[in-house]
Amino acid sequence: DAGVIQSPRHEVTEMGQEVTLRCKPISGHDYLFWYRQTMMRGLELLIYFNNNVPIDDSGMPEDRFSAKMPNASFSTLKIQPSEPRDSAVYFCASSLSGTGHYEQYFGPGTRLTVT
Amino acid sequence: GNSVTQMEGPVTLSEEAFLTINCTYTATGYPSLFWYVQYPGEGLQLLLKATKADDKGSNKGFEATYRKETTSFHLEKGSVQVSDSAVYFCALSQMNRDDKIIFGKGTRLHILP
Repeated sequence: DAGVIQSPRHEVTEMGQEVTLRCKPISGHDYLFWYRQTMMRGLELLIYFNNNVPIDDSGMPEDRFSAKMPNASFSTLKIQPSEPRDSAVYFCASSLSGTGHYEQYFGPGTRLTVT
Repeated sequence: GNSVTQMEGPVTLSEEAFLTINCTYTATGYPSLFWYVQYPGEGLQLLLKATKADDKGSNKGFEATYRKETTSFHLEKGSVQVSDSAVYFCALSQMNRDDKIIFGKGTRLHILP
């Protein structure tokens, strides 16, 4: 089975540009999570969805960040405008609530560098 | 609220040494407990889990026992290898309370040949 798929794997952009990160969760999973990982702050939960509906976006750092899940197989995380402090690795993860234990499956991540 | 505390790293060991990474948690009720591993340049992978008290999760030679009386879930391995070098995250989730997993800050492990 394919795992969580993220694209691009690496993104380098200039400050002020719009960045869109993409995620395809594992088929059949009903939860989708976006995380950010940096050396300074560790792993941070940004937002998560259940059945395509945003449940908790309290981790989204600023209005420059937005996330959508138009269908069960696709989600985007957008940063507009991007800033150097947004440089990080962004992970998408999915899980299936029916297991009752919410174990999450992570994608390989997108390494974002904003210059 | 729920929280996870794990020992700070980095932890540096020689190959074939015994490994313990401590993890304690705070939660009401009966959470499920996890250890995730992150190898360099990769996402987190589930290493093992335990869903009720006294359960022992195991995988790839790693073990952890769910200890409700001490609210702990320490990760152990009898003989580490260089390939075990990674960051290890302790985590918990609670069914019917929250949809999220609460992660610890991670412990970086270096194994020297």
